[in-house]
Amino acid sequence: DAGVIQSPRHEVTEMGQEVTLRCKPISGHDYLFWYRQTMMRGLELLIYFNNNVPIDDSGMPEDRFSAKMPNASFSTLKIQPSEPRDSAVYFCASRPGTSGTGELFFGEGSRLTVL
Amino acid sequence: GESVGLHLPTLSVQEGDNSIINCAYSNSASDYFIWYKQESGKGPQFIIDIRSNMDKRQGQRVTVLLNKTVKHLSLQIAATQPGDSAVYFCAETPGYALNFGKGTSLLVTP
Repeated sequence: DAGVIQSPRHEVTEMGQEVTLRCKPISGHDYLFWYRQTMMRGLELLIYFNNNVPIDDSGMPEDRFSAKMPNASFSTLKIQPSEPRDSAVYFCASRPGTSGTGELFFGEGSRLTVL
Repeated sequence: GESVGLHLPTLSVQEGDNSIINCAYSNSASDYFIWYKQESGKGPQFIIDIRSNMDKRQGQRVTVLLNKTVKHLSLQIAATQPGDSAVYFCAETPGYALNFGKGTSLLVTP
């Protein structure tokens, strides 16, 4: 299995630009999560999906952030317009629906820098 | 609100020594507690978990202890190696998502 695949690995953009981060979960996993990691706040849950349906988006910072999961093998996290304070590493993770432990499988992350 | 936190932000140990990383949690409803390791430039990797009805679980060179009385979790790494240098996170499972602590950086010196 290739694991959770995220793209791009690095993105540098200017304030005001639209940013789209992509994620391909592990095949067969029913849950997909988007986390943001910063030095100040650590790993924060932004949103998660179950069977492509958003379940909890209470961690999404504001309306500039949106996430979609059009099918079981693809999800996007979009920031429009981006701001310097959005600079962070964004992780996608997935897990099976019947996991016995709650373990999440993480991708390698997308490092976003907004100038 | 409820949160997961770590006592020590950084820990430096000599190669071959044992390491102990501590974590305090506040959500007693979690079914599992999980330790993750994150190396520089990579995503968090699962190390070991413990169910809430247990107080100790051992893996390969790692042991997790859970003290529900004081809501404390620890990760013990035996014979620490240079490859153990990373940031370690504890996480609790109040639901389907994980709630992470801020992490402890472990530095293994020769």
